[in-house]
Amino acid sequence: GAVVSQHPSRVICKSGTSVKIECRSLDFQATTMFWYRQFPKQSLMLMATSNEGSKATYEQGVEKDKFLINHASLTLSTLTVTSAHPEDSSFYICSARREAGNTGELFFGEGSRLTVL
Amino acid sequence: GENVEQHPSTLSVQEGDSAVIKCTYSDSASNYFPWYKQELGKRPQLIIDIRSNVGEKKDQRIAVTLNKTAKHFSLHITETQPEDSAVYFCAASRRYGGSQGNLIFGKGTKLSVKP
Repeated sequence: GAVVSQHPSRVICKSGTSVKIECRSLDFQATTMFWYRQFPKQSLMLMATSNEGSKATYEQGVEKDKFLINHASLTLSTLTVTSAHPEDSSFYICSARREAGNTGELFFGEGSRLTVL
Repeated sequence: GENVEQHPSTLSVQEGDSAVIKCTYSDSASNYFPWYKQELGKRPQLIIDIRSNVGEKKDQRIAVTLNKTAKHFSLHITETQPEDSAVYFCAASRRYGGSQGNLIFGKGTKLSVKP
């Protein structure tokens, strides 16, 4: 299957700092990537849809100035958590759809666990 | 927007028994329904999916059924094994401009298979 890589897998930062998480599709091009947030023992909550070459589409209740998304190429989307606070601590997962064949299947990254002290 | 409900939240079965997880969705425009398996601390893995033009799909011990009229779909796992223990998520996709949209997930079902 297709491979989506996410980095870093774990990050610990101080409150007030910004953290960038990368999501890469390694063996296919992805015009669309998605960012999810998952709290312990809970479901994946869609945060935003990242579109290559255009602005991301944010879900209701997600602050776009807080969670900056950049999709500069067909293989890379980044999520930057700005001025992080302890309540931003969570598991962030990206996913990408391989457009060729339009199977609809999403491939997920390994996830990034953010801990804000 | 789409809303996906999933039941039960936890399910415990004996090895060899069957497990059934049910989901309902609200958006009649949704046309793609995947099921993901997530082991602790790992990424979700697609185990089976179904499109709205099909009522049932089977892959070895796993099957999914879809009732478009009632807007519900179910995951069936037969002859369960301890390695089936994980959290299972159903999802539904909304369509944007004719292409597949982003997935909305159910809250998940923690399946425990006891040896």
